Amino acid sequence: GAVVSQHPSWVICKSGTSVKIECRSLDFQATTMFWYRQFPKQSLMLMATSNEGSKATYEQGVEKDKFLINHASLTLSTLTVTSAHPEDSSFYICSARYPRGRIDEQYFGPGTRLTVT
Amino acid sequence: AQKVTQAQTEISVVEKEDVTLDCVYETRDTTYYLFWYKQPPSGELVFLIRRNSFDEQNEISGRYSWNFQKSTSSFNFTITASQVVDSAVYFCALSSSNTGKLIFGQGTTLQVKP
Repeated sequence: GAVVSQHPSWVICKSGTSVKIECRSLDFQATTMFWYRQFPKQSLMLMATSNEGSKATYEQGVEKDKFLINHASLTLSTLTVTSAHPEDSSFYICSARYPRGRIDEQYFGPGTRLTVT
Repeated sequence: AQKVTQAQTEISVVEKEDVTLDCVYETRDTTYYLFWYKQPPSGELVFLIRRNSFDEQNEISGRYSWNFQKSTSSFNFTITASQVVDSAVYFCALSSSNTGKLIFGQGTTLQVKP
């Protein structure tokens, strides 16, 4: 149990276009999901906390108008990279918090590799 | 502010050697959680262990063991008799009991040579 999926697993897009990444909790409802970004050979950095039915909370330095997060249901959060540029090329990973568990129970998706040309 | 430091950027060992990955953390929280994750080349994070701040008991799981010492704010990870399949990037992480946000260390790349 506690499986989190991401779609797509990889995407290539042209500079200036927008890309949407989906994060789904397949067998549980997640009131909170997190979005992380990982540049090559670097660590994971938290971008934002996504709460179902409310606005996302962004970490300092993350442009909320560029990285649109929508958590419309208890099993789906989406990250849209708007007007993508080559510097947005990265590995994006989501995690979902198991609702009835302790606050530390988080499950990660397999990640989405974004390449902007 | 919370911080996780993994001072070892890269470690290379020969198969069957033991290896210890260091992790030092900083937090003002009294309740917090520590984690280790493995990230193979595929990129998917593999959960290894979770430890809360009130449980300083060391843990052993097969060839893996963890040493949590609150006095030195360290949570070190040892692989005994390393194998080639252990080659990966290993991340230590810290989360607040309030927010659940994970703060990751810089990661240690472990290469196990045959």
